[in-house]
Amino acid sequence: SQQGEEDPQALSIQEGENATMNCSYKTSINNLQWYRQNSGRGLVHLILIRSNEREKHSGRLRVTLDTSKKSSSLLITASRAADTASYFCATDADNTGGFKTIFGAGTRLFVKA
Amino acid sequence: DTEVTQTPKHLVMGMTNKKSLKCEQHMGHRAMYWYKQKAKKPPELMFVYSYEKLSINESVPSRFSPECPNSSLLNLHLHALQPEDSALYLCASSQISGHYNQPQHFGDGTRLSIL
Repeated sequence: SQQGEEDPQALSIQEGENATMNCSYKTSINNLQWYRQNSGRGLVHLILIRSNEREKHSGRLRVTLDTSKKSSSLLITASRAADTASYFCATDADNTGGFKTIFGAGTRLFVKA
Repeated sequence: DTEVTQTPKHLVMGMTNKKSLKCEQHMGHRAMYWYKQKAKKPPELMFVYSYEKLSINESVPSRFSPECPNSSLLNLHLHALQPEDSALYLCASSQISGHYNQPQHFGDGTRLSIL
């Protein structure tokens, strides 16, 4: 089964609104990452948060991590049409030397202009 | 433009054909990955190479054969594929640092269709 599960599966908002996506995982982790994938393209790394961090910012992105609840959230503020994409959380699965990354099911975000 | 280049972008092949997917990066990354992604699903890890040696094989059928000729190149040889193998095949690379996952850089993939 997948390490990360995300909700909502799909999200449609107006340009300028904030978008929040959530990710839950099952086992302990060293870090959690968020990626974006535009239609027909590869994934783009957005942000990495370590297990001893609670919050991290990058531009309009804010990521939180709650290891006690095994959950993370990605907030995109002041969304733009160009933010339309699928967003995946990704965790390290086990002791494989830091190579095995497991992706969550993803949230499809649609930002209407 | 992505820093990981995959060729071809599209590939249509019959079940008896032999073809290869290619991936190249010049970022000095020593870990390289193959993923398979079906429509509206997350990428699924297939293989990982670290320092040009196969580190992880996620029980992938032998009709998929990876090869890492040098630190910049990664190939995926295909033979006798099945229609269910139709998918987007993504290559990625990353630095290697201790035991913790590093951010991966992805190519735009090869969209494979099996007739």
